[in-house]
Amino acid sequence: NAGVTQTPKFQVLKTGQSMTLQCAQDMNHEYMSWYRQDPGMGLRLIHYSVGAGITDQGEVPNGYNVSRSTTEDFPLRLLSAAPSQTSVYFCASSEWQGALTEAFFGQGTRLTVV
Amino acid sequence: AQSVTQLGSHVSVSEGALVLLRCNYSSSVPPYLFWYVQYPNQGLQLLLKYTSAATLVKGINGFEAEFKKSETSFHLTKPSAHMSDAAEYFCAVSLKAAGNKLTFGGGTRVLVKP
Repeated sequence: NAGVTQTPKFQVLKTGQSMTLQCAQDMNHEYMSWYRQDPGMGLRLIHYSVGAGITDQGEVPNGYNVSRSTTEDFPLRLLSAAPSQTSVYFCASSEWQGALTEAFFGQGTRLTVV
Repeated sequence: AQSVTQLGSHVSVSEGALVLLRCNYSSSVPPYLFWYVQYPNQGLQLLLKYTSAATLVKGINGFEAEFKKSETSFHLTKPSAHMSDAAEYFCAVSLKAAGNKLTFGGGTRVLVKP
């Protein structure tokens, strides 16, 4: 059982470049989310989705776009990378039953913007 | 708005000693509470969760946490630390009124000395 798979694991971008971080889950979970992890700040929610075709903003959405065309996939797009977006990004999924159950996390993508 | 505070960004314990990680939350109603662990270069893994059943919650790897409404706390303990407990630990809260989104504390990194 693969769980939550993120690609790539590492990425270096130049300022202004765009890219897509991929996230796929094979647990048929309705709820998926993207977080960024910065030292001393824990994980902050970027965007989330409660099902295919439905997305919403989290705490720090600026500079990022998401879409959810299928239950399995939830890609995160950086429109024009900035050094402030240097971070570790985590995708997570969980069952959606009107209340959060356990969130399953991917291994993370370490992004550096130079 | 919900928030989580973890006291101490770093904790050092001797092998065999008590592990105590502190978490306080801010919420007008009792939330769901979680502890996650992150081993180096990995995603987060659920240790335990409180969802309004028993106030003393037992998790994996010998960890437990007690929900104290009067103190708005959810401290994590383990009676005897093992070297394998060296990791970063995150407390998280979710509220139904906030769409059940997870809000994380800043994390506490645990160092276990032989």
